[in-house]
Amino acid sequence: AQSVTQLDSQVPVFEEAPVELRCNYSSSVSVYLFWYVQYPNQGLQLLLKYLSGSTLVESINGFEAEFNKSQTSFHLRKPSVHISDTAEYFCAVTISYNTDKLIFGTGTRLQVFP
Amino acid sequence: EAQVTQNPRYLITVTGKKLTVTCSQNMNHEYMSWYRQDPGLGLRQIYYSMNVEVTDKGDVPEGYKVSRKEKRNFPLILESPSPNQTSLYFCASSLQGLSSEQFFGPGTRLTVL
Repeated sequence: AQSVTQLDSQVPVFEEAPVELRCNYSSSVSVYLFWYVQYPNQGLQLLLKYLSGSTLVESINGFEAEFNKSQTSFHLRKPSVHISDTAEYFCAVTISYNTDKLIFGTGTRLQVFP
Repeated sequence: EAQVTQNPRYLITVTGKKLTVTCSQNMNHEYMSWYRQDPGLGLRQIYYSMNVEVTDKGDVPEGYKVSRKEKRNFPLILESPSPNQTSLYFCASSLQGLSSEQFFGPGTRLTVL
């Protein structure tokens, strides 16, 4: 069975500093990986996804994540965060040949301070 | 506007009183899903539907029912709610399965006393 681990429940950081939110997954088969963001009092929005091809994927607002098969990781990074990036971030995984179930991590709350 | 809507947004009820949370999408999506979000547990999938009349259990289906009679609607039914079903519920839809982007509703906060 697949599982997702987000080791950091909270990550405090100052504005304009770099940030990395860690995500590790467990699966014996090929997977698709996702990062979703949840702003306060809102539903989730897709930030970026890895399906195949280039292992480095980027979002439109400066985030990127790299799929590392050997380390079974999909860490999310941003070189310079803004106050508006304050949100909860969820990593998720699904099996590539049977995309009906999605397993979420427990989330990482990113708090950006001025 | 393309969207997923849920009703009600907030609901307080008592143990054992049947309730339904509606979910509707206007994007002609085939896949729909229900999740519950609890502190420290992230989101857990309750039920999902690959298409009309096709539904299946997620990771935490106990105490819930769903139906998919029309493509746009995917109601979540709690026949006999209990306090451990107090949670924040999200409905989501995607064009086809989970390789395509899921669009989430605004959430329904349910409290069962």
